[in-house]
Amino acid sequence: SYELTQPPSVSVSPGQTASITCSGDKLGDKYACWYQQKPGQSPVVVIYQDTKRPSGIPERFSGSNSGNTATLTISGTQAMDEADYYCQAWDSSTVVFGGGTKLTVL
Amino acid sequence: QVQLQESGPGLVKPSQTLSLTCTVSGGSISSGGYSWSWVRQHPGKGLEWIGYIYYSGSTYYNPSLKSRVTISVDTSKNQFSLKVSSVTAADTAVYYCARVNGSAYEIYFDYWGQGTLLTVSS
Repeated sequence: SYELTQPPSVSVSPGQTASITCSGDKLGDKYACWYQQKPGQSPVVVIYQDTKRPSGIPERFSGSNSGNTATLTISGTQAMDEADYYCQAWDSSTVVFGGGTKLTVL
Repeated sequence: QVQLQESGPGLVKPSQTLSLTCTVSGGSISSGGYSWSWVRQHPGKGLEWIGYIYYSGSTYYNPSLKSRVTISVDTSKNQFSLKVSSVTAADTAVYYCARVNGSAYEIYFDYWGQGTLLTVSS
């Protein structure tokens, strides 16, 4: 079965750039999307189809996907961005989530 | 604005069948070519996809749960449902319903319910 691997945690200082990676076999040949989940809340899609940003999502969120790695980049990270982030892809009629990355802004 | 709301018993006994319903408001469940999905999250853990029902009626399930899971749609009530049979404590989780946008490799979840905690215990 297909697997997506994320680092368990990433730390960033306020105002700096945070990068969260998601690795999978030939992931660049698929579409990746990213969800943000804050404690006690439902996930929210912040990037879909590799690079697209839903309306209402700040421009500081961007995505890329090439080779075996998709990356979520948060520029000018703010305290409100502290959350768990999950990548997701589709493979052989199944949906796969990465294990999640806890982003700490300190 | 589409809204989804899960409902269910909250507590189920081991070996019984878990039944959850997701009510969709702000749009017809049968229009727009959307599909509908269930995702769960074990306490303190990550997201686990359970399955989805395509707008055509086809269903797709997580292989690890396929033998115990059924997803169906009731267009007259604008609802879709999840049934998981032979539950154990390992099925204790927050269950989310979500709208699926796109098809096949383009799939992502654009609207989510608030989630409902389901506990399996005697």
